[in-house]
Amino acid sequence: SQQGEEDPQALSIQEGENATMNCSYKTSINNLQWYRQNSGRGLVHLILIRSNEREKHSGRLRVTLDTSKKSSSLLITASRAADTASYFCATDPSKGFSGGYNKLIFGAGTRLAVHP
Amino acid sequence: GAVVSQHPSWVICKSGTSVKIECRSLDFQATTMFWYRQFPKQSLMLMATSNEGSKATYEQGVEKDKFLINHASLTLSTLTVTSAHPEDSSFYICSASPLFGGSSPYAEAFFGQGTRLTVV
Repeated sequence: SQQGEEDPQALSIQEGENATMNCSYKTSINNLQWYRQNSGRGLVHLILIRSNEREKHSGRLRVTLDTSKKSSSLLITASRAADTASYFCATDPSKGFSGGYNKLIFGAGTRLAVHP
Repeated sequence: GAVVSQHPSWVICKSGTSVKIECRSLDFQATTMFWYRQFPKQSLMLMATSNEGSKATYEQGVEKDKFLINHASLTLSTLTVTSAHPEDSSFYICSASPLFGGSSPYAEAFFGQGTRLTVV
């Protein structure tokens, strides 16, 4: 079952604008990861934020995590047409999972369209 | 980064036949791999956990007799869709984490490139 919701479901912006996507989840987590998926393709790992971290940056990406609200946001600054894709958050709620971690539960995703 | 290879990338089969999808970790070992399914314009849904040397663990609602999983070695898990029907048409994708990193709650998951299955 899905862990939570993402909003917006779809986002359409112009190149150069910032894009913000939000993700909510239901259970306690070890980490939260953001992925990008181009249409019909595999997943590209963007960033992992640990449960004890509040903010993380990677290039034009900024991720925040609020464990008290069970929510996270992904900000893409100065967007480009090449950023057009679906973005998913994924949480790892494993607790002492004997086989390891990364049994990921994905959010519904946000479809981002960046227009030139 | 670590590489997970999935094969085939796409497959078309006739109703009633079986299809095998392979998931290989190329440069690391993984005792556990995960299989997901994604229908068009939807999110990824976890199907099952593949455990090396033991039976797979299936999520609620996933038929274990329909989706056979074999994790025969530390680098290979296979998903066989048996007696496929058009409603099984979907994008199937696997993930794995390195044996050492997989024991950490802060390790990244590595995904295969996915397999698009079309049953006609």
